[in-house]
Amino acid sequence: ELKVEQNPLFLSMQEGKNYTIYCNYSTTSDRLYWYRQDPGKSLESLFVLLSNGAVKQEGRLMASLDTKARLSTLHITAAVHDLSATYFCAVDSPTGNQFYFGTGTSLTVIP
Amino acid sequence: GAVVSQHPSRVICKSGTSVKIECRSLDFQATTMFWYRQFPKQSLMLMATSNEGSKATYEQGVEKDKFLINHASLTLSTLTVTSAHPEDSSFYICSAMAGKPNIQYFGAGTRLSVL
Repeated sequence: ELKVEQNPLFLSMQEGKNYTIYCNYSTTSDRLYWYRQDPGKSLESLFVLLSNGAVKQEGRLMASLDTKARLSTLHITAAVHDLSATYFCAVDSPTGNQFYFGTGTSLTVIP
Repeated sequence: GAVVSQHPSRVICKSGTSVKIECRSLDFQATTMFWYRQFPKQSLMLMATSNEGSKATYEQGVEKDKFLINHASLTLSTLTVTSAHPEDSSFYICSAMAGKPNIQYFGAGTRLSVL
């Protein structure tokens, strides 16, 4: 069974600081997704990474994918309070028709 | 972007009753829809994968007789929680997959509370 692990599970950081969330997965996959979830809400798609070496940036968030290391990172630059949420990574199964979600990282940005 | 509508957003029901949740892709045809369940402060758990016109594929440990899934058309899938009990209380989220590269679009979720 494909396993997806995120690190850390909980993160509290001050505004203006930088930090990286890590997503490791256990089997071959060329596609990785990052989602944001606000309390009581559904998931919002942030990034779709489709190949080894893919890097995407949107505002203060940047995601990258290393398929050889089976690792994706979500880097937060100069955090602001609005980024407080839970972030999930997800990976396609080898057959491409199932998603496996990571454990989630609960981020709190402190003013 | 593609829109997935999930209805209702919140439902409170008595134990023993059945609840139906609808998931519609509004502006695209979804050959595959997924149903997830999320407990507080936990990740999403895939319950079943639903393909139009065929029986849903349930994940291990998910009771197919309790969680009935119907994918009647390319734009509509329904999840019926039959004879709901308090332990079925949860946040249920559907998603619809559109073409390549297999991007999933998520519904807003349904919070079910069973009294």
